[in-house]
Amino acid sequence: GNSVTQMEGPVTLSEEAFLTINCTYTATGYPSLFWYVQYPGEGLQLLLKATKADDKGSNKGFEATYRKETTSFHLEKGSVQVSDSAVYFCALRATGRRALTFGSGTRLQVQP
Amino acid sequence: GAGVSQSPSNKVTEKGKDVELRCDPISGHTALYWYRQSLGQGLEFLIYFQGNSAPDKSGLPSDRFSAERTGGSVSTLTIQRTQQEDSAVYLCASSLEGGGISYEQYFGPGTRLTVT
Repeated sequence: GNSVTQMEGPVTLSEEAFLTINCTYTATGYPSLFWYVQYPGEGLQLLLKATKADDKGSNKGFEATYRKETTSFHLEKGSVQVSDSAVYFCALRATGRRALTFGSGTRLQVQP
Repeated sequence: GAGVSQSPSNKVTEKGKDVELRCDPISGHTALYWYRQSLGQGLEFLIYFQGNSAPDKSGLPSDRFSAERTGGSVSTLTIQRTQQEDSAVYLCASSLEGGGISYEQYFGPGTRLTVT
């Protein structure tokens, strides 16, 4: 079946540090890949997406590249801010499916 | 513009009671999804509606769970004879669909259900 594996949290960083949150997936065919973010007290928001191999999604300084050969979609940001503190979910939408399959989420805490 | 809205925002119920959760999707969105976010299971898909097609119920965990979508807009998720393991945040999302293309899913704030 389809699945998404994310690194365990929480991830605690100092402001301006480099961020990587690992995400790997299992799916048949060519899924679309997503990162969603959930800020404290708010709903899930789409952060970025990639729909085919080697695509790079980017938004708000965050980037992730769809790597078919390693079945990965790692999230990166060069310099995090306190306002980036949130829970980040990696997700996939399998070919022919409409529903999303989510990872377990990774909590990021950025300290000033 | 208005986003996806859900009501109630919080619901506390006694074990064995029935509950109804409501979702108002973004106007014009033809696809509607229900997901559940719980500590033990993470974020999991429950059911999907698209236009007049038969819903995809493949994620419903038991026959105590059902959902309907009236007039292609508002949806109600019903849980009968609630159990403590039903305690979770129930999320609704909507999206445009068409031409074989799936668009971004916009999520509501969720309903936090607590079964005592």
